[in-house]
Amino acid sequence: GAGVSQSPSNKVTEKGKDVELRCDPISGHTALYWYRQSLGQGLEFLIYFQGNSAPDKSGLPSDRFSAERTGGSVSTLTIQRTQQEDSAVYLCASSQALPQETQYFGPGTRLLVL
Amino acid sequence: AQSVTQLGSHVSVSEGALVLLRCNYSSSVPPYLFWYVQYPNQGLQLLLKYTTGATLVKGINGFEAEFKKSETSFHLTKPSAHMSDAAEYFCAVSERGAGGSYIPTFGRGTSLIVHP
Repeated sequence: GAGVSQSPSNKVTEKGKDVELRCDPISGHTALYWYRQSLGQGLEFLIYFQGNSAPDKSGLPSDRFSAERTGGSVSTLTIQRTQQEDSAVYLCASSQALPQETQYFGPGTRLLVL
Repeated sequence: AQSVTQLGSHVSVSEGALVLLRCNYSSSVPPYLFWYVQYPNQGLQLLLKYTTGATLVKGINGFEAEFKKSETSFHLTKPSAHMSDAAEYFCAVSERGAGGSYIPTFGRGTSLIVHP
């Protein structure tokens, strides 16, 4: 079946603009994660959705970042009033609910804020 | 809070040589341990994982890792490096956090460089 898809693959925006990044997880995966990957910094956890439970937002760096997951499937990460330091690759991953399950990653969205 | 340390941001080996990528974690209980690989211009994919049972875990492409509880380590090895192994390797640990969720924590990654 299809893997995790993300769109757009690349996004260039101006400082102060809002951006929306989309993630389509693997069908049937109840867990969905967003990460930020900056050069030399590894993967930084942002937010976690599990089924119908309240999301774990403990990794969001500021209130400019938000995310939602509609119908337990597609997720959108929104960054408001973008700053240059938001430039990074944003990765989405999905998995089955159990913690030992493998995460399946999308190709990422490369965001550049000018 | 758990943390994952990958020693060496870059590891350089000759083709055919042993590959050793180090990963240490801090955890109060045996966690779930993962190695992911990211090939150039590709997404992350699972290399291998330890959940329970045998502490020596074999993965794809000839890689293996051993969970050593006493050393809190999960080092990745491959007997003979191939040019196609050049990639970024990430160690990850999954443990129940304060909020009750299992959130994988990733190391900063190690870039494996393979010389002909």
